Amino acid sequence: GEDVEQSLFLSVREGDSSVINCTYTDSSSTYLYWYKQEPGAGLQLLTYIFSNMDMKQDQRLTVLLNKKDKHLSLRIADTQTGDSAIYFCAERGTGTASKLTFGTGTRLQVTL
Amino acid sequence: SAVISQKPSRDICQRGTSLTIQCQVDSQVTMMFWYRQQPGQSLTLIATANQGSEATYESGFVIDKFPISRPNLTFSTLTVSNMSPEDSSIYLCSSIGSNEKLFFGSGTQLSVL
Repeated sequence: GEDVEQSLFLSVREGDSSVINCTYTDSSSTYLYWYKQEPGAGLQLLTYIFSNMDMKQDQRLTVLLNKKDKHLSLRIADTQTGDSAIYFCAERGTGTASKLTFGTGTRLQVTL
Repeated sequence: SAVISQKPSRDICQRGTSLTIQCQVDSQVTMMFWYRQQPGQSLTLIATANQGSEATYESGFVIDKFPISRPNLTFSTLTVSNMSPEDSSIYLCSSIGSNEKLFFGSGTQLSVL
């Protein structure tokens, strides 16, 4: 089946940029998503990218997609303490089921 | 963006009992999904709930344990039956809104004693 991998932990200083990486195996992925989960909360959709795009920017967030290498990244500019959370990437394949396969999640810690 | 109201937000239950989780979407959606997030882990899809037909379950999940209802295009329930401590997890419902965005409810934190 499909597999989505992320590093478990990332620590950055406030004001620096954060880059969270994700790799996936499904070559037929149509959409790729980034979600944020704060402690005790549900998942908040941050951004998503269609598989025929290389990059998408939305305010402080930049998503890069290398479809050849099946690599997705999320860059957060000027990282703030409020960005501390777990970040999940997810890929959606083709077909009517439209299921998402989630990565293992990356815990982002922002230090002062 | 779609808004999904999920309840209860948390519950503590006794072994052997059942809990029904409800999700209400503020617009009509074709498919709703139920996920489980075990402590410290990622999300695993339990089943896809379509209106007017039986839910489609993923490998490792069965209808007797996780019965799902989908009476209309804005509502769904998931029941966790005959609970054991291993069922302690966060349960989340989701649906696909416009522009292929998948939105989630706020989750139900379930603890089974």
